[in-house]
Amino acid sequence: KQEVTQIPAALSVPEGENLVLNCSFTDSAIYNLQWFRQDPGKGLTSLLLIQSSQREQTSGRLNASLDKSSGRSTLYIAASQPGDSATYLCAVSPPDTGRRALTFGSGTRLQVQP
Amino acid sequence: DGGITQSPKYLFRKEGQNVTLSCEQNLNHDAMYWYRQDPGQGLRLIYYSQIVNDFQKGDIAEGYSVSREKKESFPLTVTSAQKNPTAFYLCASSPSGSGNEQFFGPGTRLTVL
Repeated sequence: KQEVTQIPAALSVPEGENLVLNCSFTDSAIYNLQWFRQDPGKGLTSLLLIQSSQREQTSGRLNASLDKSSGRSTLYIAASQPGDSATYLCAVSPPDTGRRALTFGSGTRLQVQP
Repeated sequence: DGGITQSPKYLFRKEGQNVTLSCEQNLNHDAMYWYRQDPGQGLRLIYYSQIVNDFQKGDIAEGYSVSREKKESFPLTVTSAQKNPTAFYLCASSPSGSGNEQFFGPGTRLTVL
């Protein structure tokens, strides 16, 4: 059974710092990996989607990498801002075309201090 | 304005009652999903539907039921058989192909009184 782990569970950094969030998964047979942002009491906002054949995706100050063979992904946030404060979740989708539901990690709660 | 809507935003239920959470999407997505989120935890899959008139149990389906009579709608009923229903419920949808990127609604917070 797929398990997704995110480290650290919480992170506090000063504004302007570059930071890395980690995600690991136990079964390397995945279809894709998605990074989400969740603000308190809100739904999830999709940040980046990496297909299993890709190594990385970039969007603005965000860069996500995928190493499927080692079961790892990282989300790099450059020049962090207080508005980046949120919980970041990673999730993987299985290769089974009959069930593309996501398996989630527990998230990393990020606080960026002004 | 395309997206996923969930209603109500907050829902209170007395013990022994069934309640239904609404999820509607106008993205023309084939697949829809219901997840449950408990404090400090990731999301867990309740039910999913790959196509109209078909749905499958997820990892924690006991005490829940769904229907998929229309492509745009996937309501979730929380029955009295669900022993610990207080949680944040999130609905999602995804297109066939296009990498299967999932998009989420704003969620419904259910509290049992």
